[in-house]
Amino acid sequence: EPEVTQTPSHQVTQMGQEVILRCVPISNHLYFYWYRQILGQKVEFLVSFYNNEISEKSEIFDDQFSVERPDGSNFTLKIRSTKLEDSAMYFCASTLQGGAEQFFGPGTRLTVL
Amino acid sequence: QQPVQSPQAVILREGEDAVINCSSSKALYSVHWYRQKHGEAPVFLMILLKGGEQKGHDKISASFNEKKQQSSLYLTASQLSYSGTYFCGTPNTGNQFYFGTGTSLTVIP
Repeated sequence: EPEVTQTPSHQVTQMGQEVILRCVPISNHLYFYWYRQILGQKVEFLVSFYNNEISEKSEIFDDQFSVERPDGSNFTLKIRSTKLEDSAMYFCASTLQGGAEQFFGPGTRLTVL
Repeated sequence: QQPVQSPQAVILREGEDAVINCSSSKALYSVHWYRQKHGEAPVFLMILLKGGEQKGHDKISASFNEKKQQSSLYLTASQLSYSGTYFCGTPNTGNQFYFGTGTSLTVIP
């Protein structure tokens, strides 16, 4: 069964460093999402991506964040200068059409020291 | 814009029933339900697309009242495997998706 994959599973970084979180969505899916979940809290929408461009972003997704689909299969989230409060689980999700069932990757746990 | 869920947490014995509610201050076009087990990703349960629609999935079903901007998830004859955090979620007219505040469900033997 096709699945969304994410790498790395755990990333530890120093405050101020850049990190890139990687996702491989399901191959025929067209819509891609990044979410953040601080430990024990709700799942927060960061950004959605369709047709090679951002379609929506939340207020969390400021200039420190960027997304890219560099090669037609990978979907990346970059945080330019990490802060302590960026420590969270980051989930990638994909779906065949907007508003449909979302398939989530296993997540990347980001720890900023 | 985030849907609000109630209760925040519930503890059940195996075989008991539970209802989780999700309400929004904004119009709901559709409602998704997901379950997340500890340390794992959310897993899709079902989508409700029309006002008044009900759906079932094994012993888990849901209803959606578009006029009241509410949805409820019904878990009957709960099993240990039902434990987790349940989230409702809804897309806006664009391509944002808002998860609800979450309900932690614990089923004990």
